[in-house]
Amino acid sequence: SQTIHQWPATLVQPVGSPLSLECTVEGTSNPNLYWYRQAAGRGLQLLFYSVGIGQISSEVPQNLSASRPQDRQFILSSKKLLLSDSGFYLCAWSGLLDGLSGNTIYFGEGSWLTVV
Amino acid sequence: AQRVTQPEKLLSVFKGAPVELKCNYSYSGSPELFWYVQYSRQRLQLLLRHISRESIKGFTADLNKGETSFHLKKPFAQEEDSAMYYCALSGRRTGFQKLVFGTGTRLLVSP
Repeated sequence: SQTIHQWPATLVQPVGSPLSLECTVEGTSNPNLYWYRQAAGRGLQLLFYSVGIGQISSEVPQNLSASRPQDRQFILSSKKLLLSDSGFYLCAWSGLLDGLSGNTIYFGEGSWLTVV
Repeated sequence: AQRVTQPEKLLSVFKGAPVELKCNYSYSGSPELFWYVQYSRQRLQLLLRHISRESIKGFTADLNKGETSFHLKKPFAQEEDSAMYYCALSGRRTGFQKLVFGTGTRLLVSP
């Protein structure tokens, strides 16, 4: 079966420090990978998605970046965190499982980031 | 552009009462609609998708293209239905299609 893990679960970082959130998927190959941010009153905002190794699409301009160094690994990064980067970040994946559509998305446990 | 609107931030009902969580969408092509649910202390997970025409945990949702809606319904709410519900939209075409979510509705079912 397919599983998705992301870490760390919680993170408290000072303003101006770097960030690295990691996500890995197991049990599938060539998944589509996503980073979402969940904010109260704003729902789920898609930040980045990737359809293959080294292929990253950014949805919104921001202080964050994403990378996909391996097929099943997706990393969310920042060189210098801002207070506004605080939030709940979700990694997710999708793939063609049932032949109907590849659009069912499966989410990780999420990572709480607090920038102080 | 794809857009999903969930007009209610909070819906509070009593146990046994009917529930309807509203979702309206905007999309120029053929849409694929989903409902995701997040229970307390659990990860966000798929509840149902319109293409499957299924009922999950007593919930159903019918795609109404004329009204561009995909409301989630349950005839008799249970306390364990309390959760955050997100409606989501994707384009129904071959190839990669990103999923766009609404802002979510928190359902609170009281005893």
